[in-house]
Amino acid sequence: QLQLQESGPGLVKPSETLSLTCTVSGDSISSSTYYWGWIRQPPGKGLEWIGNIYYSGTTYYNPSLESRVAISVDTSKNQFSLKLTSVTAADTAVYYCARVAHLVVIYYFDSWGQGTLVTVSS
Amino acid sequence: DIQLTQSPSFLSASVGDRVTITCRASQAISSYLAWYQQKPGQAPKLLIYAASILQSGVPSRFSGSGSGTEFTLTISSLQPEDFATFYCQQLNSYPLTFGGGTKVQIK
Repeated sequence: QLQLQESGPGLVKPSETLSLTCTVSGDSISSSTYYWGWIRQPPGKGLEWIGNIYYSGTTYYNPSLESRVAISVDTSKNQFSLKLTSVTAADTAVYYCARVAHLVVIYYFDSWGQGTLVTVSS
Repeated sequence: DIQLTQSPSFLSASVGDRVTITCRASQAISSYLAWYQQKPGQAPKLLIYAASILQSGVPSRFSGSGSGTEFTLTISSLQPEDFATFYCQQLNSYPLTFGGGTKVQIK
């Protein structure tokens, strides 16, 4: 059974770098059928897509975050990671990792991690 | 960016009611739309993809329709476990975007 688990610090200081890892179990991150994505949700607010990565390393980022975000993949560990630099209080959110299925040109986020709350505060 | 506008933002309904949520896109997105359900403290759960395809394991009381710029999610007979917030998402083009959400509460 597929499981995605986010891990990383729950508290980050302003101007520092937020780093999270998503560990995938029950499936290979190298599968050609899937992309892998990050999404965040500020407390009490809606969902914001951060970016996707393919096992080959190809990435797609939200332009609103592109100057500060980097997503990478480690196929040997079956993990992918998120780095967000120069964080502010506005980056406080629950961060989710997810599997993105694709059937030719149809895409959908079919499995999500439980999410991890990251608070930006000094 | 493609904007998604959901309506209503909030609705109050009773068990057994038929519920319809609308998602309008700022430009045509063919059928590249998904619907998710999110309960408090939980991750979103995929209900519908490609506008009308029911995800495996999702009850058949959920259905989706539409193409182009207007889409609907319908719950044919609302059940107690369906009270949650629902989001639409467009997957036609980057950046991927979500609607603002529709919170369904018990009347």
